[in-house]
Amino acid sequence: QKEVEQNSGPLSVPEGAIASLNCTYSDRGSQSFFWYRQYSGKSPELIMSIYSNGDKEDGRFTAQLNKASQYVSLLIRDSQPSDSATYLCAVNKPGGYNKLIFGAGTRLAVHP
Amino acid sequence: DVKVTQSSRYLVKRTGEKVFLECVQDMDHENMFWYRQDPGLGLRLIYFSYDVKMKEKGDIPEGYSVSREKKERFSLILESASTNQTSMYLCASSFETGGAGGYTFGSGTRLTVV
Repeated sequence: QKEVEQNSGPLSVPEGAIASLNCTYSDRGSQSFFWYRQYSGKSPELIMSIYSNGDKEDGRFTAQLNKASQYVSLLIRDSQPSDSATYLCAVNKPGGYNKLIFGAGTRLAVHP
Repeated sequence: DVKVTQSSRYLVKRTGEKVFLECVQDMDHENMFWYRQDPGLGLRLIYFSYDVKMKEKGDIPEGYSVSREKKERFSLILESASTNQTSMYLCASSFETGGAGGYTFGSGTRLTVV
């Protein structure tokens, strides 16, 4: 079992729709969760962080965390073609030094 | 904004060469990391450093070494480059310990070993 799992996609959504990206993780001791956006040929960019159960909203982005189910998701409302990218889920590895374990990413394609 | 700078955007090296990838951050971060990213495999941690002259192996350290002589600079060394080390290499830094902070990534170095 991979430590952080994501569906590779592509997830295709029409412009204006809600895109839902999902991630599961294996270590129950993980406490910090992050979503990164990576455009083709570019490096990852941090877009959301979440540390406690529930929802966290930032503009069109909402991160959701359920530690009991070991599940974290990212919702993108009013999806735009500029949101087309690969979204990486990252989870901290307990034990110090702020090591993050990354999922392989979900490719999102928003079509006009 | 924190800036993480990787010295080269693209590199082409020959098999057997010793290769140095340089990374510099400008925000006094304690933690620095080297990842490689390959299609279908995601980001894999090679080495990280939590302080000057301190280093820890990540998940795939074989064939690599690192150096951190100054806090702002973290170098990745490929002792004898091989074709299976062709990849995108990403440097990252963070100031938080205990998993509380996200990383800032450099722009990446795409290394091709021929």
